Amino acid sequence: GENVEQHPSTLSVQEGDSAVIKCTYSDSASNYFPWYKQELGKRPQLIIDIRSNVGEKKDQRIAVTLNKTAKHFSLHITETQPEDSAVYFCAASMKAAGNKLTFGGGTRVLVKP
Amino acid sequence: NAGVTQTPKFQVLKTGQSMTLQCAQDMNHEYMSWYRQDPGMGLRLIHYSVGAGITDQGEVPNGYNVSRSTTEDFPLRLLSAAPSQTSVYFCASTTSGTGTYEQYFGPGTRLTVT
Repeated sequence: GENVEQHPSTLSVQEGDSAVIKCTYSDSASNYFPWYKQELGKRPQLIIDIRSNVGEKKDQRIAVTLNKTAKHFSLHITETQPEDSAVYFCAASMKAAGNKLTFGGGTRVLVKP
Repeated sequence: NAGVTQTPKFQVLKTGQSMTLQCAQDMNHEYMSWYRQDPGMGLRLIHYSVGAGITDQGEVPNGYNVSRSTTEDFPLRLLSAAPSQTSVYFCASTTSGTGTYEQYFGPGTRLTVT
């Protein structure tokens, strides 16, 4: 089955700096790669996603890149703000197989004012 | 639309007790899934369904049963609760259509087994 590795497990950045989280996946059949933000006691919230036919996607301060050959994808957050502090999860799935998600272990991001 | 709803929000069980976690969605989604999230970890797939009458195991299915008699409902049954099943349980749904890939998560059920 699919295996998703996520690094780093914790990330501390100064407000205004950039944050980068990296994930690798094992199943070349995976074609959907979402990123979730989870605050304490809340459900995962989708912040951006990318499909395998796209190499990069951007939404304001957040961007995701996908390298299918190397089987890795990354989340980039620019101009970080204190409200970006949360746990971030990457995931991978194959739509045709029920779109069931395999999650990475998570990255705890702390943005220091 | 209420989206994905889960009941109860919190539950405490004694070892050996059984219970059913409820999940319902009103978006006519074909795909539904159950995940568990242990403290400090990512979510792990327990069981999933691609349509009414069809279910399959995920990564951590032991100790859990599911059924899908309707498109809307996907209950998760704990057969004989164990402390290792203390976790937060999330239900999710999505469409089988190619236009949307996003999974919609319920608010979660926090389960403690003593």
